[in-house]
Amino acid sequence: DAGVTQSPTHLIKTRGQHVTLRCSPISGHKSVSWYQQVLGQGPQFIFQYYEKEERGRGNFPDRFSARQFPNYSSELNVNALLLGDSALYLCASSLAGTFADTQYFGPGTRLTVL
Amino acid sequence: EDKVVQSPLSLVVHEGDTVTLNCSYEVTNFRSLLWYKQEKKAPTFLFMLTSSGIEKKSGRLSSILDKKELFSILNITATQTGDSAVYLCAVDLGGSQGNLIFGKGTKLSVKP
Repeated sequence: DAGVTQSPTHLIKTRGQHVTLRCSPISGHKSVSWYQQVLGQGPQFIFQYYEKEERGRGNFPDRFSARQFPNYSSELNVNALLLGDSALYLCASSLAGTFADTQYFGPGTRLTVL
Repeated sequence: EDKVVQSPLSLVVHEGDTVTLNCSYEVTNFRSLLWYKQEKKAPTFLFMLTSSGIEKKSGRLSSILDKKELFSILNITATQTGDSAVYLCAVDLGGSQGNLIFGKGTKLSVKP
């Protein structure tokens, strides 16, 4: 079975631009979470979606938004990019995002903002 | 504020050594504690711990949780160069959200 997949693998943008990152969960998983990992830090929670509904949101500005599609894939959108948005963006999927439900991570998208 | 603190932040050992990585936490709600290994990009799942005092083992890796003292340790015996990675500790806060709070990680380098 394929694991969590993310696209693109790398992305270079300039300040003020918009970016869309994509994630496909493991087959059968209905929950997707997004994390931002800045160099030298642990991942920081951005969003969780389950059955196309937002279940949780971390401490990120409104420039960050996400959605989940009927096939459970997900997009993360970031508007008005800032230099500080440069990071590895990780997507994790789980069966339902509930108790004892392990999250499995994709390879990430490396975003560089110039 | 919920926080997870890992120590040491980095560690250099030689093949065959045994290492212990530490993770302490202060959170409002606790559902489970997880350990991940991150080599290049994707963190790969190692262990999920929910109960105190029950050791989980996988080959040369083992981990245990102390919910009274709010910490966990990850042990790696007979280290190999392939164990070189960043080891991340995360706490699942539970509730309706499935988010994890991560520590900064411990960077382990195993020299031949």
